[in-house]
Amino acid sequence: QKEVEQNSGPLSVPEGAIASLNCTYSDRVSQSFFWYRQYSGKSPELIMSIYSNGDKEDGRFTAQLNKASQYVSLLIRDSQPSDSATYLCAVNMGGGTSYGKLTFGQGTILTVHP
Amino acid sequence: NAGVMQNPRHLVRRRGQEARLRCSPMKGHSHVYWYRQLPEEGLKFMVYLQKENIIDESGMPKERFSAEFPKEGPSILRIQQVVRGDSAAYFCASSPPAATYEQYFGPGTRLTVT
Repeated sequence: QKEVEQNSGPLSVPEGAIASLNCTYSDRVSQSFFWYRQYSGKSPELIMSIYSNGDKEDGRFTAQLNKASQYVSLLIRDSQPSDSATYLCAVNMGGGTSYGKLTFGQGTILTVHP
Repeated sequence: NAGVMQNPRHLVRRRGQEARLRCSPMKGHSHVYWYRQLPEEGLKFMVYLQKENIIDESGMPKERFSAEFPKEGPSILRIQQVVRGDSAAYFCASSPPAATYEQYFGPGTRLTVT
């Protein structure tokens, strides 16, 4: 079992729709969860962080965390063509916030078509 | 506020040569992380450093790779006797001392071994 697993892509949605990206992780004691966006040939860009169960909203992005199910998701509302990128789920699996090592999922390619 | 800086952005080395990759963290950040992204693969953690200390090098290959973050100057990732399999994008990330869980990535160094 992979430590961090993302739903297989690629994911294609029409402009204006909601894009839903999912991620599961294996280490139950993980505490910190992140979503990064990576455009082709560029570096990862941090777009959301979440530490507590529930939802966290930032503009068109909503991160959802369910530690009991070891599941974290990212919703993108009103998707735009500029949202087309690879989305990376990252987990701090150190069991606390003192350790910085992030474990990344393999990424989900999102395409938003006009 | 300048972001994480990496240089060179592109580096070409022949097999057997040495590669030195440099990373200057964001202002106020004292934690540095190196990740490697091989073609068609995800981001893999290599090493986590603080000034003059290696905190976690569990992702570093046992041979030919070393990293440092001296008291003065940038962090250096050094690869000796490069082989074709070392061709990849190497990303540096940094985080502030109070929160080692939000990491901000530099633009990366694309290493090509010929």
